[in-house]
Amino acid sequence: DAKTTQPPSMDCAEGRAANLPCNHSTISGNEYVYWYRQIHSQGPQYIIHGLKNNETNEMASLIITEDRKSSTLILPHATLRDTAVYYCIVRVEDNFNKFYFGSGTKLNVKP
Amino acid sequence: DTAVSQTPKYLVTQMGNDKSIKCEQNLGHDTMYWYKQDSKKFLKIMFSYNNKELIINETVPNRFSPKSPDKAHLNLHINSLELGDSAVYFCASSQDGNSNEQFFGPGTRLTVL
Repeated sequence: DAKTTQPPSMDCAEGRAANLPCNHSTISGNEYVYWYRQIHSQGPQYIIHGLKNNETNEMASLIITEDRKSSTLILPHATLRDTAVYYCIVRVEDNFNKFYFGSGTKLNVKP
Repeated sequence: DTAVSQTPKYLVTQMGNDKSIKCEQNLGHDTMYWYKQDSKKFLKIMFSYNNKELIINETVPNRFSPKSPDKAHLNLHINSLELGDSAVYFCASSQDGNSNEQFFGPGTRLTVL
């Protein structure tokens, strides 16, 4: 699986959009981009995933560049409860695939 | 109505002891996992079971022995505990091995003294 690079931490004001970048320059054509988050002292939680097209769900939007070498997770209106470590993972959608969690980005949402 | 539950939440024990962590999911999923999160917060997969069968064993010492009595349960038994086993252990489940979403339990913080 390709590796990802994320900034170690970011700050965001409550109510504003949080844009979390991820570089995955060695991504293969059949690898998806996944985002999970881990709120302090809890297990990770799935947010969203995509292959080529931009994706949106009730939690967030995922913007993947045309060359697929980077992506951005967007939380449109961040709340204090969105403070967490956000993990960007690339992975082949295959049987009994593994998720390799990196160090992630610690998002601090401030009042 | 907890989806993935683990017991105990905290476990403090002496080096050399044997301990078990239990995991149960009530989601009707076929696949379950054990992850270890070390002090540097890196989360690494240890095992994966599908319908009670071991699918993934990610180079884990054989002191760690998972057991799946049925597809809703995946317990982790650890023999001869070492200091380096101190970590938070997370259980997770997914509909099947192809699923995009894994559901994680609350974690068990193991401290070996």
